[in-house]
Amino acid sequence: DTGVSQDPRHKITKRGQNVTFRCDPISEHNRLYWYRQTLGQGPEFLTYFQNEAQLEKSRLLSDRFSAERPKGSFSTLEIQRTEQGDSAMYLCASSLGWGPGQETQYFGPGTRLLVL
Amino acid sequence: DAKTTQPPSMDCAEGRAANLPCNHSTISGNEYVYWYRQIHSQGPQYIIHGLKNNETNEMASLIITEDRKSSTLILPHATLRDTAVYYCIVRVSSGGYQKVTFGTGTKLQVIP
Repeated sequence: DTGVSQDPRHKITKRGQNVTFRCDPISEHNRLYWYRQTLGQGPEFLTYFQNEAQLEKSRLLSDRFSAERPKGSFSTLEIQRTEQGDSAMYLCASSLGWGPGQETQYFGPGTRLLVL
Repeated sequence: DAKTTQPPSMDCAEGRAANLPCNHSTISGNEYVYWYRQIHSQGPQYIIHGLKNNETNEMASLIITEDRKSSTLILPHATLRDTAVYYCIVRVSSGGYQKVTFGTGTKLQVIP
């Protein structure tokens, strides 16, 4: 299976600790997206990359959050000084590019974060 | 992106067709209708999308009204594995702005 993969699938951490999540998109997909999903809600957009360039960030992405995609392949999302309100599912998606048929986003299984 | 309205929940008997409605009355001419579903604790799964014409693939059919203000996702023979939250989304295919806005979706329960 060559779908979007995310690691780890689950993370439990204590408040104040830093955590980092990894996303590997579908091969040759130029665009990569991060979303956050809390219980009972749909996914909320955080940020997206076109190759290695971060082109848009949601206001949900506070200063404690940083995302990178250093070589235009995998991406990392780091949360510094975690807070209990950061507990959520963090989803990654990728798409081929733009234009009809190329913009469909394919999601990974998500990383579930619990901050104690 | 235009807002969508979906019923919060629906039931469907196993083996019957599941028809999931979506209203998108403020949709613009260049906005596509996308459907995703999310099975408990998994990432959203792409189902189908369309612009004006009805679409069908191996998973489902998408019926878009002529005025494009509403659409219906049809699962022709629902199984227990189709129990999930279904999201209807409208978005522009422009190459620029890429955010996808999810609502709260329709929770479909397939009943044995």
